[in-house]
Amino acid sequence: QKEVEQDPGPLSVPEGAIVSLNCTYSNSAFQYFMWYRQYSRKGPELLMYTYSSGNKEDGRFTAQVDKSSKYISLFIRDSQPSDSATYLCAMRQGAQKLVFGQGTRLTINP
Amino acid sequence: SQTIHQWPATLVQPVGSPLSLECTVEGTSNPNLYWYRQAAGRGLQLLFYSVGIGQISSEVPQNLSASRPQDRQFILSSKKLLLSDSGFYLCAVGSWTATNEKLFFGSGTQLSVL
Repeated sequence: QKEVEQDPGPLSVPEGAIVSLNCTYSNSAFQYFMWYRQYSRKGPELLMYTYSSGNKEDGRFTAQVDKSSKYISLFIRDSQPSDSATYLCAMRQGAQKLVFGQGTRLTINP
Repeated sequence: SQTIHQWPATLVQPVGSPLSLECTVEGTSNPNLYWYRQAAGRGLQLLFYSVGIGQISSEVPQNLSASRPQDRQFILSSKKLLLSDSGFYLCAVGSWTATNEKLFFGSGTQLSVL
């Protein structure tokens, strides 16, 4: 079993829709949770960062962590074609190495 | 904030040829540096990381090596490329807050070995 599982998609939704991207994990010691956005042929860019359980909002983006279920989510409201990218979840335990999900390819259709 | 320079953006190399990819960083000192490879549909694989000059940790034994000759320079090399070395190579810099290290990535090199 992989430490981090992420549905690779592809996921295609109409412009303006609410998008939900998810990752599950098996290591209950993970403390730090991140979401990266990667445009085609570019390096990933850090989008959201959360520590422990709860929600964090930044503009149209909301990151949610449920440690009891070992489940994290990224919600995108009022999705735009410019949000079309691959989204990677990442997490770590303390000072250990970052573990990435496989990435979900998202397309927002105008 | 730091700036990561990674080149070339695209590289096509024949099997058996050598490889040298360079990454340089500006705007930070004594950073943690990382090399990742991203194969299609397989996520990010950590190859090497370095916490200082001359200090290299290898995560995956394979046909590649890394060196850090200067504080802000990280080099990925191979003496003889294999077909399986094809992929998208990313250099990353670790930036520490009080409790966590965030990774920031360069623009990547798409390597095709033919």
